[in-house]
Amino acid sequence: SQTIHQWPATLVQPVGSPLSLECTVEGTSNPNLYWYRQAAGRGLQLLFYSVGIGQISSEVPQNLSASRPQDRQFILSSKKLLLSDSGFYLCACSRQYNEQFFGPGTRLTVL
Amino acid sequence: DAKTTQPNSMESNEEEPVHLPCNHSTISGTDYIHWYRQLPSQGPEYVIHGLTSNVNNRMASLAIAEDRKSSTLILHRATLRDAAVYYCILRSRGGYQKVTFGIGTKLQVIP
Repeated sequence: SQTIHQWPATLVQPVGSPLSLECTVEGTSNPNLYWYRQAAGRGLQLLFYSVGIGQISSEVPQNLSASRPQDRQFILSSKKLLLSDSGFYLCACSRQYNEQFFGPGTRLTVL
Repeated sequence: DAKTTQPNSMESNEEEPVHLPCNHSTISGTDYIHWYRQLPSQGPEYVIHGLTSNVNNRMASLAIAEDRKSSTLILHRATLRDAAVYYCILRSRGGYQKVTFGIGTKLQVIP
């Protein structure tokens, strides 16, 4: 079964600083990959999804970007963080219409 | 995407059955009904899914209405570890599998 790794687990960054969150997947090939953000007490907001290497679709216009340099690697980035970027960032993977598997998440606090 | 409606919160006594409802009146014929749950400070985990027939697994049962416009997740004996936010979502079989998570139902289990 697949395993999703995310790092770092927690991160505190000042406003205006860059961001790079990494997600890697084991135990599956050619997965669909997703980045979600969850603000405190809120539901999950889909940020980006990818169906293959170099293929990224954005769901919400914002100052974040995503890249998929390898089949099982998904990176979330920002050049300049905003206070509103604080939240719990989750990476997920799935195969076709099957269930999604989520990583442990990264808790980002922007000060 | 077809949307789902769930109560914001529910309570249950420990060791009693719990019925978590979900309405999805705009469900299409190719939509699968998925349930996930999210424990505090963790990513969501898959619980169960179904298309038309009721489904059982080691975690829960899923009862799907005959017209498929609603479903119910059944936890047969609630334990304190079942306290979580439960999400009901729809996943289409065709094409890319974008998934939208709402706010879900926060289940409180009372000892």
